[in-house]
Amino acid sequence: QKEVEQNSGPLSVPEGAIASLNCTYSDRGSQSFFWYRQYSGKSPELIMSIYSNGDKEDGRFTAQLNKASQYVSLLIRDSQPSDSATYLCAVSNFGNEKLTFGTGTRLTIIP
Amino acid sequence: DAGVIQSPRHEVTEMGQEVTLRCKPISGHNSLFWYRQTMMRGLELLIYFNNNVPIDDSGMPEDRFSAKMPNASFSTLKIQPSEPRDSAVYFCASSRGHTTSVGTDTQYFGPGTRLTVL
Repeated sequence: QKEVEQNSGPLSVPEGAIASLNCTYSDRGSQSFFWYRQYSGKSPELIMSIYSNGDKEDGRFTAQLNKASQYVSLLIRDSQPSDSATYLCAVSNFGNEKLTFGTGTRLTIIP
Repeated sequence: DAGVIQSPRHEVTEMGQEVTLRCKPISGHNSLFWYRQTMMRGLELLIYFNNNVPIDDSGMPEDRFSAKMPNASFSTLKIQPSEPRDSAVYFCASSRGHTTSVGTDTQYFGPGTRLTVL
């Protein structure tokens, strides 16, 4: 079982709709959770970080964390073509800077 | 503010040659990370440093790989001898290096070095 799992996609969403990206992790000691966006041929860039259970909103993005279910998600509202990218989920344990990445979900927003 | 700087951006070499990748972290950041990204294995951490000291090198694939951080503003990742299976994009990232009861600091990635070993 992989430590951090994501559906590789591709996930196709119509422009203006909500895109929902999911990530599960296996280590119950995981404390910090990150969503990175990576455009083709570019480096990962941070979208959201979340550390406690519940929702965290930043503009059109909402991260949701459920530690009991070992599940973290990213919602993108009012999806735009510029949101088309691969989204990487990353997880680290308490007191450890080492990030474990999922393999990413490729998202395509259809105009 | 300058981000993480990596050089070269592209490297094409022949099998058996030595390859050196370079990274300058964001000023004031105390932790530096080297990652490798391939289609098959995704993004993998190779090694990370905190205050110039290697903390975790468990991801370094084999003795052909070595990394150094002689000072707070410079790090190298060396592959000697290189092999075709080393072809990948190598990213350097840096962070402030703080881990608290809340969580871990964000890592900021450089533009990457695309390595092709023929």
